[in-house]
Order: sequence, then structure tokens, then C-alpha cells
Amino acid sequence: AQSVAQPEDQVNVAEGNPLTVKCTYSVSGNPYLFWYVQYPNRGLQFLLKYITGDNLVKGSYGFEAEFNKSQTSFHLKKPSALVSDSALYFCAVRGSTDSWGKLQFGAGTQVVVTP
Amino acid sequence: ETGVTQSPTHLIKTRGQQVTLRCSSQSGHNTVSWYQQALGQGPQFIFQYYREEENGRGNFPPRFSGLQFPNYSSELNVNALELDDSALYLCASSGGLAGVQDTGELFFGEGSRLTVL
Repeated sequence: AQSVAQPEDQVNVAEGNPLTVKCTYSVSGNPYLFWYVQYPNRGLQFLLKYITGDNLVKGSYGFEAEFNKSQTSFHLKKPSALVSDSALYFCAVRGSTDSWGKLQFGAGTQVVVTP
Repeated sequence: ETGVTQSPTHLIKTRGQQVTLRCSSQSGHNTVSWYQQALGQGPQFIFQYYREEENGRGNFPPRFSGLQFPNYSSELNVNALELDDSALYLCASSGGLAGVQDTGELFFGEGSRLTVL
């Protein structure tokens, strides 16, 4: 069975500073990894995914993530955070034999960007 | 392009009642997944429907059931509601079972918030 850990409940960063949200995973076979963002009282929005290929994945709104197989990590990064990036971020994993719709989500990390 | 829409947005039920939540998938998508998101937690996979059949189920009891219709819209039914069923229920659509059209990205609706008293 797959699992996802987001070790930080909340990340605080000043606007303009780099933002990192951590994620580690456990899955049998090749991992399919995703990041989603959730704004208050809204559904989830897709940011980026890693299926195969380059370990550095670029996504929406200037976000990127680095896949590290040896550390089983998939940390989300943004070089310069904006106040509008304040939201709840979820890392998710899909097993290689699962259908596309079956994701295992982490508990989420609240990002707070202060002006 | 029409996004994923869910109804109702909010509802309140009492313990023991039954509820039906509805979801219209994004245009061109043939797969619908349902998730339960309890307060302060990540979404938990309930089940997925593809071509009107259940295709994958999470750790939810049989009182959670669903349907998918020929137009790919879907319903989630929960019988004998319990207090712990209070949550945001999210519907997500995608292109199919890892087919050529499927990019792996899920498109979520804004959810139906269920409160069980």
C-alpha cells in the first residue's frame, strides 16, 4: 500500500523568499507523484506531476518539484513566494497498478506567505 | 470547456438519514472519482467509476455507493448517515484508465459540504 507524509503542518515564509514544501512517499513499483493546492472552501487544483523522465518537474504558477528516488521525496519549491501562494498544499501518490483516479493524499501543509 | 460541477454545495442531515450528492464531469472526461475530506485532513479515496462501472474502491463501507450515467455524470449515495460522515465530498474527473487521452491530472469540483447532526 502506498503512503504519503508531509512532515510540516504549516510553513511560514516572507514574500519574495524561497518556498519549500516537503513530501516523502512510499509506494510499490514506480511512483506517480502529484501536487495539488486548495484554497479556502474550494476544490483542489492541480499544480504538477511526475510520471517519468526529468527529475525536476515544472508546473503551474512558477512552482516546481524535484523527484528524488533514493530519498523517496518529492518536495515542492518556488523560488520567490507571493502572498497569493498562501493556501493548503497536498502531495499525492498513485501506485503503478492503480487507476488514474485513485490517489493517496498526504495530510496537507498550510503555507502562509507574509508581506 | 465546462469544469466539474457538484451539487448541492452545502447540506445538513441527521444521523440515520440518507444523502445523494451529484457530480457533472468535465467535458470529454469519462472517469469520475469521489473523495471524502474530513476537516483538517487530506482527501480519502472512496471509489471511481469508469463507463458506468465501479473501478476501484477505498476503505469505505458498503453504505457508500455510487452510480455513473451514460453522460458520465455521477452520484454518491450514503445510507445510514453517521456523525463521522460529516466532511467535504469532492468529485474529480479525468480522461480514462491511463488511456491515450489521460494526462493523469484530476480535475476537482468545489465539493459538497455535508454536516451530520
